[in-house]
Amino acid sequence: EVQLLESGGGLVQPGGSLRLSCAASGFTFRSYAMSWLRQPPGMGLEWVSGITGSGSTTFYSDSVKGRFTISRDNSKNMLYLQMDNLRAEDTALYYCAKDSGTYSLSYFDPWGQGTLVTVSS
Amino acid sequence: QSALTQPASVSGSPGQSITISCTGTSSDVGSYNRVSWYQQPPGKAPKLIIYDVTKRPSGVSNRFSGSKSGNTASLTISGLQAEDEADYYCNSFTRTYTLIFGGGTRLTVL
Repeated sequence: EVQLLESGGGLVQPGGSLRLSCAASGFTFRSYAMSWLRQPPGMGLEWVSGITGSGSTTFYSDSVKGRFTISRDNSKNMLYLQMDNLRAEDTALYYCAKDSGTYSLSYFDPWGQGTLVTVSS
Repeated sequence: QSALTQPASVSGSPGQSITISCTGTSSDVGSYNRVSWYQQPPGKAPKLIIYDVTKRPSGVSNRFSGSKSGNTASLTISGLQAEDEADYYCNSFTRTYTLIFGGGTRLTVL
């Protein structure tokens, strides 16, 4: 069974940093691209960033480009999101999700349960 | 880039069929078949129900179907059941190598 478990969320001040982690199991991690997505409280879904299976190529939404960095460690089956210069509008439940193939921005199945990031002073 | 356009809410009675539209542009929905739909019950993580415009993952009821015409994709749910009550989101690949979601549609089963 594929499982994705996010961690690392919490309360951080504007301008601060946070690193999210996603532990993956139940599939050949290096064979699949992965993404981070988020959902502000009471609002809709937003794709944040994606990374290919090898980790050689990364993709970002305009809203986080230059502030967030996605990475992965295929030896540990781990996905990461380094978030710097955080803003109030980054407050959201952050999900990691498994993509459909090695090099794709396509569809996500499954999603983790999410980790909550709150940016506030 | 603006979100894909979905109706904020739809409703239907048990047994009826409903359709949720998802309108984009020639830079996303109109140019790629990488359109997917997700179901999100209250308080739960999203679940994939349609991918590549028309395909259903294993285990998803055949009451769910997808289609596309031009810049608009659609999700149809036939034989509505109380358990279908949830938020539904469409998603598309874009020409700038990003992904974009619709604003979401709240389905109420009357």
